[in-house]
Amino acid sequence: EDQVTQSPEALRLQEGESSSLNCSYTVSGLRGLFWYRQDPGKGPEFLFTLYSAGEEKEKERLKATLTKKESFLHITAPKPEDSATYLCAVQAFSGGSYIPTFGRGTSLIVHP
Amino acid sequence: DADVTQTPRNRITKTGKRIMLECSQTKGHDRMYWYRQDPGLGLRLIYYSFDVKDINKGEISDGYSVSRQAQAKFSLSLESAIPNQTALYFCATSDFTAPYEQYFGPGTRLTVT
Repeated sequence: EDQVTQSPEALRLQEGESSSLNCSYTVSGLRGLFWYRQDPGKGPEFLFTLYSAGEEKEKERLKATLTKKESFLHITAPKPEDSATYLCAVQAFSGGSYIPTFGRGTSLIVHP
Repeated sequence: DADVTQTPRNRITKTGKRIMLECSQTKGHDRMYWYRQDPGLGLRLIYYSFDVKDINKGEISDGYSVSRQAQAKFSLSLESAIPNQTALYFCATSDFTAPYEQYFGPGTRLTVT
């Protein structure tokens, strides 16, 4: 069965304290790994898509990387406005179609 | 205006009532999805549709039904609501070509008493 596991479940950082979030996956026929940001009470907002091992994408203080079994979301010198839940999803072949499967997310709080 | 809209945004209903949640999109995407989100459980797929004539069950379709009225409209129905269907519901869309990312609506908070 395809699985997506995110760790840690929750992370508290001081402003400026860099860290990484992990997303490990066991799927067949991967057609993309996605990172989303979700603020409380709102819908997830797309951040990145990664397709192949070794690929990296950057946006402001965020950098996403991908290996054959996991992805990392690196947060460099975070600010309080980076506080949110970060969701990882993989698009894999299931039941004749490519559909996304989400992890449970990592809740990030950045203290000033 | 938002690309993906959901109505209602909040709804309180009683056990046994039928309820419909509606989703509309202006992205021009063929693919639409319904998810529910519960604390600690992440997003779970209820139903998805790749075009108007294509409806598929997701991970947790029991107790739910859907209707794809047009390319831009996808409705989720709870035929007889029960308390454990209390959750945050999201509609999403995606294109059929890469990069396949999804665009989510603002969500509907449903409470079944």
